[in-house]
Amino acid sequence: GAGVSQSPSNKVTEKGKDVELRCDPISGHTALYWYRQSLGQGLEFLIYFQGNSAPDKSGLPSDRFSAERTGGSVSTLTIQRTQQEDSAVYLCASSLGVGGRLYNEQFFGPGTRLTVL
Amino acid sequence: KQEVTQIPAALSVPEGENLVLNCSFTDSAIYNLQWFRQDPGKGLTSLLLIQSSQREQTSGRLNASLDKSSGRSTLYIAASQPGDSATYLCAVNGGSQGNLIFGKGTKLSVKP
Repeated sequence: GAGVSQSPSNKVTEKGKDVELRCDPISGHTALYWYRQSLGQGLEFLIYFQGNSAPDKSGLPSDRFSAERTGGSVSTLTIQRTQQEDSAVYLCASSLGVGGRLYNEQFFGPGTRLTVL
Repeated sequence: KQEVTQIPAALSVPEGENLVLNCSFTDSAIYNLQWFRQDPGKGLTSLLLIQSSQREQTSGRLNASLDKSSGRSTLYIAASQPGDSATYLCAVNGGSQGNLIFGKGTKLSVKP
C-alpha cells in the first residue's frame, strides 16, 4: 500500500515568508510525528499528533512554528516569517498508535527540503 | 535526558565483509529501538524494530540485538554489498509522546 507522502519535496523561500508543509500518513495510522533534520545535526523531534490532538507543543522550536491535523489524517506544519536557521529537511512519520499505544513502528515519508534564502 | 550515540561515524569496507554497527543509549527505560537506513537526499527506511522485551530481530542479512540493561544495540550486516551503502540510524522510543530519539548515524560505504 501507499507509504507516508509529503509535499512539496523541495521548497525555496525568501526570509520572512510563510511556508506550509504537508504530510499524508499511511491510511489507518492514528499517530503522526514531525521531525527536523538540519545539516550537521541529528534528527530533532518537533510535535506529535494522536488523532487530531497534539498534547504537547513544547518541541516546536519557536512560536513561529505551528501544526495541525484534520480528520485524523493529513497534517500541515506551518512556519511563519521564515528565518535562515529554519533551513532543514522536515520529515513526517506515522504509526498505528493502536489502543493508545505510542510505541509502534514508525514509518517515514521522503521529507521536504526547505531552503530559506 | 536520553542521549543516543553511534560508533563509528563512518565505515568503509570491501564487498562481502560482515560488519557491526554500534548504538548506545544513556537511559535504559525504553519501549523499543528502531534501526533505519537513509540514502542521500531520501527519507528514512525502517529496517528493524526491537521491542524492549526482545533480545534480537532478524531480517534477511540484517540482525539487530538489544541489551537494554547495558544501553547497547548492534546491527550486524552479513555479506555486505555495494547496495548497502547508506547512513544507518539508531533510534530509541521512550518518551511520553512516543517520539524517537536518534543517534547521528553511521555512514557506511561498501566498495566493490
